[in-house]
Amino acid sequence: DSGVTQTPKHLITATGQRVTLRCSPRSGDLSVYWYQQSLDQGLQFLIQYYNGEERAKGNILERFSAQQFPDLHSELNLSSLELGDSALYFCASSERVRNTIYFGEGSWLTVV
Amino acid sequence: SQQGEEDPQALSIQEGENATMNCSYKTSINNLQWYRQNSGRGLVHLILIRSNEREKHSGRLRVTLDTSKKSSSLLITASRAADTASYFCATAFTNTGNQFYFGTGTSLTVIP
Repeated sequence: DSGVTQTPKHLITATGQRVTLRCSPRSGDLSVYWYQQSLDQGLQFLIQYYNGEERAKGNILERFSAQQFPDLHSELNLSSLELGDSALYFCASSERVRNTIYFGEGSWLTVV
Repeated sequence: SQQGEEDPQALSIQEGENATMNCSYKTSINNLQWYRQNSGRGLVHLILIRSNEREKHSGRLRVTLDTSKKSSSLLITASRAADTASYFCATAFTNTGNQFYFGTGTSLTVIP
């Protein structure tokens, strides 16, 4: 158990809908990362927050947004969902930047 | 792309044999990490090697880093069936701040 908690574990939704994925980092970790893993794209970095502020942005679509709250948990919002958004979404956390990052078990999103 | 690239994409060996997988990258790094992922599960951190280190060991794992060739290798000695998984390298580049980029992974199958 990495200590990173993600909910929900599985989610099935229809195209055009909006979902929110939630992440609780390891105790004491200030940095949260979101990754998307799909069969054809591999593991793609989406966005990183550090102590509530956005620190780095990767291949995150405009339809997606995220935030980190004062209690350091983070949410990833996916809107106007398309079939191609079906993937495993991972949250990871680290104590600071460039430290070892620890992954949650992921949220499986299926868009139908 | 700033992602690392693992080689080979797939590797199949007999239990007890050694497994070697390689990672190549393109720009200067702060550190490089190796992760393991069992199918559909979260990534598990294996080992971190910093840019000023050349070799690190952890149990049956041995990681080398050659910054002049921009490459790293992961050696798993005396492999076990439980080592069957995908292995990823993740690089933290000096010019991209905080995010880690993952390669496409090496799928290792250890045959009992």
